[in-house]
Amino acid sequence: GDSVTQMEGPVTLSEEAFLTINCTYTATGYPSLFWYVQYPGEGLQLLLKATKADDKGSNKGFEATYRKETTSFHLEKGSVQVSDSAVYFCALSDRSSQGAQKLVFGQGTRLTINP
Amino acid sequence: GAGVSQSPSNKVTEKGKDVELRCDPISGHTALYWYRQSLGQGLEFLIYFQGNSAPDKSGLPSDRFSAERTGGSVSTLTIQRTQQEDSAVYLCASSPPDPLTDTQYFGPGTRLTVL
Repeated sequence: GDSVTQMEGPVTLSEEAFLTINCTYTATGYPSLFWYVQYPGEGLQLLLKATKADDKGSNKGFEATYRKETTSFHLEKGSVQVSDSAVYFCALSDRSSQGAQKLVFGQGTRLTINP
Repeated sequence: GAGVSQSPSNKVTEKGKDVELRCDPISGHTALYWYRQSLGQGLEFLIYFQGNSAPDKSGLPSDRFSAERTGGSVSTLTIQRTQQEDSAVYLCASSPPDPLTDTQYFGPGTRLTVL
């Protein structure tokens, strides 16, 4: 079945550092790819998404490009802030025969940014 | 506008008791999903509703788990004879009726603890 593998954490960086969180996927179809973020004490929020190969999703200074040739969707940010501290989940969705766009998540990467 | 809401936010129960978890999706969203977030298994899909019907129940872990949706809106996830391994955060998500939209909006979750 479909699966997502992402960089294990925790990841600790200093403010203004460059961030990369790796994500690779396995899918039989043509999935959409997502990054969700979970801030402390809050629910999952969509950070960005890409629906087809070579699409770039971006939001809040974060970017990720859908790379079909390497089955990857790595998350990057040029200069992180303390407020970016959260758990980040890479996910894919593919419409099932029953019509569900169920999400398949990676294990999550806990990011801590120190001032 | 109002987001997805879930109640209760926390539930502590004794092994063997039944529990009901409620989800109020965003108004007008026809698709509704339940997921479970646990330490050992990460984020897992449980069930998908389109309107009041559930064409995909493939993620429900056992027959102790059931869910219903009424009026195309509120959904209830019921766990009978709870076990300690049911302890997790149960997340609900909804998405709009546009079949091309694959973004899901998550509620804050219900943290279930089975003693």
